[in-house]
Formats: sequence, structure tokens, C-alpha cells
Amino acid sequence: GESVGLHLPTLSVQEGDNSIINCAYSNSASDYFIWYKQESGKGPQFIIDIRSNMDKRQGQRVTVLLNKTVKHLSLQIAATQPGDSAVYFCAETVSGTYKYIFGTGTRLKVLA
Amino acid sequence: EAGVTQFPSHSVIEKGQTVTLRCDPISGHDNLYWYRRVMGKEIKFLLHFVKESKQDESGMPNNRFLAERTGGTYSTLKVQPAELEDSGVYFCASSHAGATEAFFGQGTRLTVV
Repeated sequence: GESVGLHLPTLSVQEGDNSIINCAYSNSASDYFIWYKQESGKGPQFIIDIRSNMDKRQGQRVTVLLNKTVKHLSLQIAATQPGDSAVYFCAETVSGTYKYIFGTGTRLKVLA
Repeated sequence: EAGVTQFPSHSVIEKGQTVTLRCDPISGHDNLYWYRRVMGKEIKFLLHFVKESKQDESGMPNNRFLAERTGGTYSTLKVQPAELEDSGVYFCASSHAGATEAFFGQGTRLTVV
């Protein structure tokens, strides 16, 4: 797949457990953050977003937490399923600039 | 609604050759972006079009890369001449005017040998 040769941090979790993927962002001026999921052979797919005026946002089985003090973002996936296996990227941007800065990505492996 | 589509999905070329990548954004999306991921590194911004105009090309690595979006519809990214370090996956994304959420294509894997 696209990630051959890349040495990504890997998180292995048992099916049914909760997963927490962390990301440190770089720009204190960033005010919009997105988590993307990338499966092999596909482009990044939007999962959930959060604006800087919030510290938590929930979706279906996913929760994003934002800590602006330490410039940290996390993605929590509840009851992880085999279909959740992918590379997860956080991305930050300053509203109006339309330029995303991506993190390096974390590979999530779901063990049966 | 069709998503962002990119052609080709894979391209293998020799060093010194020219390659042209194509991106068809989602219909009606004024914003079009090119990103790339070279091996071992994160996805990096290359440039941003608003309709046919280049809004931000600060991420273009050098003058061997030329992006166009004639007519404000599809876009092409030409690499001429290609070098080994250009190998990677090139992503295109698009979004509505004023929207921050961008939708990505599946990427073009470029291998320069």
C-alpha cells in the first residue's frame, strides 16, 4: 500500500476495546482541527472535526478532545472494530488560510 | 455525488522524464488543493486554487513543478523533469467556497526510478 516504507507509530488494540490516538499540533494560531482516516489505496477520509472554541466533540463512536494549552489533540474510538484498522492523521489549519498541516500519522491495528 | 478523482492511480517513470497528474474535483467546488506525501514524511501542502487562480503556492518545492487549473474545473500537476525524490503519493482535495472541510481523492502514487 501507500505506506510501504513509512515507519509510522503503531497502536495495536483488541477488537472491542477503546482506542486513543494522540497528536501534537504545531501552530498556536490554528483554530480548526480535523481527524482523517486513510485506508490502504485510498485518500484521507474525514472522520471528525473540532474548532478551537470547543474542547470536546463527539460523533458516532468517535470523540475528539482538544487541549489548546499544550497543543494536543486526541481521537478516541469506542469499541474498536476491524474496519477501523487504518492510518489516522490529525490536521490543523487557521480558518481562512485553507492550508492544512498534517501530523505524521498513527497506524491503528485491530487484533481479532 | 462523485468524489474527487485522480488520474492515474499509479505512475512509474524514469528520472528526467515528465509526468502529468490530473485531478477532477467535486463539481461546484471552487477550492482545489494539491498535497503530497513523500516516503517517510507527513502529508504536505503544495498549493491551493480558487477557481482558476493560484491562491497559495507556498508549498511547491521548486520550479520543476507546475500546476494549472484552466477554466476552474480540473487541475493538472506536471513534474518536469522528475527526480528520484519526487516519488511519493500526490493527493488532490477540493472544498466549497468558504468551507474549511476538504474532500480528498485517492491519490496518485508516483515512482521515479
